[in-house]
Amino acid sequence: QVQLMQSGPEVKEPGASVRVSCKTSGYSFIAYFLHWVRQSPGRGLEWMGLINPSDGRTSLADRFQGRVTVTRDMSTNSVHMDLSGLTSADTAVYYCARVGTTASYHYFDTWGQGSLVTVSS
Amino acid sequence: EIVMTQSPVTLSVSPGERITLSCRASQSVSNNVAWYQQKPGQAPRLLFFGASSRATGSPARFSASGSGTDFTLIITSLQSEDFGVYYCQQYSNRPFTFGGGTKVEFK
Repeated sequence: QVQLMQSGPEVKEPGASVRVSCKTSGYSFIAYFLHWVRQSPGRGLEWMGLINPSDGRTSLADRFQGRVTVTRDMSTNSVHMDLSGLTSADTAVYYCARVGTTASYHYFDTWGQGSLVTVSS
Repeated sequence: EIVMTQSPVTLSVSPGERITLSCRASQSVSNNVAWYQQKPGQAPRLLFFGASSRATGSPARFSASGSGTDFTLIITSLQSEDFGVYYCQQYSNRPFTFGGGTKVEFK
């Protein structure tokens, strides 16, 4: 079955960077876009960006441009999200999510379990 | 950015009731709306896409409708497992955006 397994929780100091990883299985990795969505009490569910695993092209929400990098690893069918310049406002659960269709309709039928990132000094 | 506004924020209900959740977009999103259910400590679960197309595993007591700017999720004969927070999402335009959620709690 389709599965997205994310990396574990992280605690980072302000100003640091964090990498959250998402290993996929159970389907053709290159056939479906993958997205990053985060959730915090203050900001709810917030779309961060996407990657097309077939060519590595990404699209990011404006507010994350310059701070977020999304990459894929074809050898492990994984995607990674790097977030730099962390502040307390980045404390959130980060999800990777797969789109539900090979067409360009960006709703999410499969989600990772979430990765808690805590930013604290 | 398209703003998705959900109402009500909270619904206190009894099992067996019928409930209606609303989602309004700040501009037309055609039928590019999805609905999700989220329970504490879990990731969201897809219920509907394309405004009214049922996702695999979405119970038949759930239905969804709408187009343009106004969307509705209806749950008939609420079951105990239906508690949680329900979110709508538009995927018509980037950035893709979610509503603030409607929390369904039991009296």
